[in-house]
Amino acid sequence: EAGVTQFPSHSVIEKGQTVTLRCDPISGHDNLYWYRRVMGKEIKFLLHFVKESKQDESGMPNNRFLAERTGGTYSTLKVQPAELEDSGVYFCASSRRLDYEQFFGPGTRLTVL
Amino acid sequence: KNQVEQSPQSLIILEGKNCTLQCNYTVSPFSNLRWYKQDTGRGPVSLTIMTFSENTKSNGRYTATLDADTKQSSLHITASQLSDSASYICVVSADQNNDMRFGAGTRLTVKP
Repeated sequence: EAGVTQFPSHSVIEKGQTVTLRCDPISGHDNLYWYRRVMGKEIKFLLHFVKESKQDESGMPNNRFLAERTGGTYSTLKVQPAELEDSGVYFCASSRRLDYEQFFGPGTRLTVL
Repeated sequence: KNQVEQSPQSLIILEGKNCTLQCNYTVSPFSNLRWYKQDTGRGPVSLTIMTFSENTKSNGRYTATLDADTKQSSLHITASQLSDSASYICVVSADQNNDMRFGAGTRLTVKP
């Protein structure tokens, strides 16, 4: 069974540009989560999808962040326009059921210059 | 202030030695506590999970303990190997909905 994959692994952009991160969950996992780790800080929750619906987006920092999961398969997280403080590692995780273990992807390291 | 505090922030030990990592939390209500291992450039991988009623859980050379009364957990690594070099993250779930709160992690380096 393939694990959670994320693309790209690294992204370097300039302030004001747009970046789109992609996450492909494990097949059959209805629950998909986005997290972010800012340098030196702990991993923090951004949002949670159940299939194509946003179950909880309380962790989204502001309206520059837009997450989608069309068709309930892969998900994208768009940052527009990017700011310096958006730099960090963005993790995606998926689980088959709400109370099952979450499996994490390798993360996308985003650097905003 | 983070609801999950880990110590030490970093640790260097020699191969073959044991070590213990600490996690204190204030998350409430409490559902479960997980320890994750995160290798450089990879996502966190679960090592152990404990619920309120469990006070110890082992996974090979990793043994986690939980004291739900004092809200403390530890991860003990026995006979360390070079491959144990990684960040170890304590994660506490506030309820059954998997509302996970992460510690900042302990960076462990095992040297030959």
